[in-house]
Amino acid sequence: NAGVTQTPKFQVLKTGQSMTLQCAQDMNHEYMSWYRQDPGMGLRLIHYSVGAGITDQGEVPNGYNVSRSTTEDFPLRLLSAAPSQTSVYFCASTPAGVGYEQYFGPGTRLTVT
Amino acid sequence: AQRVTQPEKLLSVFKGAPVELKCNYSYSGSPELFWYVQYSRQRLQLLLRHISRESIKGFTADLNKGETSFHLKKPFAQEEDSAMYYCALRGGGSNYKLTFGKGTLLTVNP
Repeated sequence: NAGVTQTPKFQVLKTGQSMTLQCAQDMNHEYMSWYRQDPGMGLRLIHYSVGAGITDQGEVPNGYNVSRSTTEDFPLRLLSAAPSQTSVYFCASTPAGVGYEQYFGPGTRLTVT
Repeated sequence: AQRVTQPEKLLSVFKGAPVELKCNYSYSGSPELFWYVQYSRQRLQLLLRHISRESIKGFTADLNKGETSFHLKKPFAQEEDSAMYYCALRGGGSNYKLTFGKGTLLTVNP
């Protein structure tokens, strides 16, 4: 199993550009989530999904969209990038009802200039 | 609302010294508490969870409901313990969402 994979590893965007961060997992986990990690702020939940076709907002959803058309994939879209979205983004997945451990991807480091 | 507080952003100890990373939480029900660790340039990974009452890499953590705390302890720190540590809380039932603290960066000096 590859576990949770994220692409790209690094990205530089200009203000106003849009892009999609990819996240995939091959463990058939129901729950997936996106976090951003900022110095001194810890991990903050952006969006999450409890299954294919079901998504909901987390703590800091503004400026981001998600969709969950399959169990495996959970892409995060930045609609119009802003410097405040410069961060490291982590995707995570969790199996249903088994300890609730979250398995994290390697992260995407995004810089918006 | 649920909240996790890690009062120390930075913690520095010498190799062989005891280490305690503090975590306090606020939650009205029966929470499930976790410690996650992130070594340099690696992904976050689960270190331990309170329901397992296990010791991983010499670390232990006890849930104290009276003090609403879940401090992480190790009697003799090693240089390889240097990492960012996050305390996290999951609400009860089938709630998958985790609330993370802001993290404590532990540095173990030789």
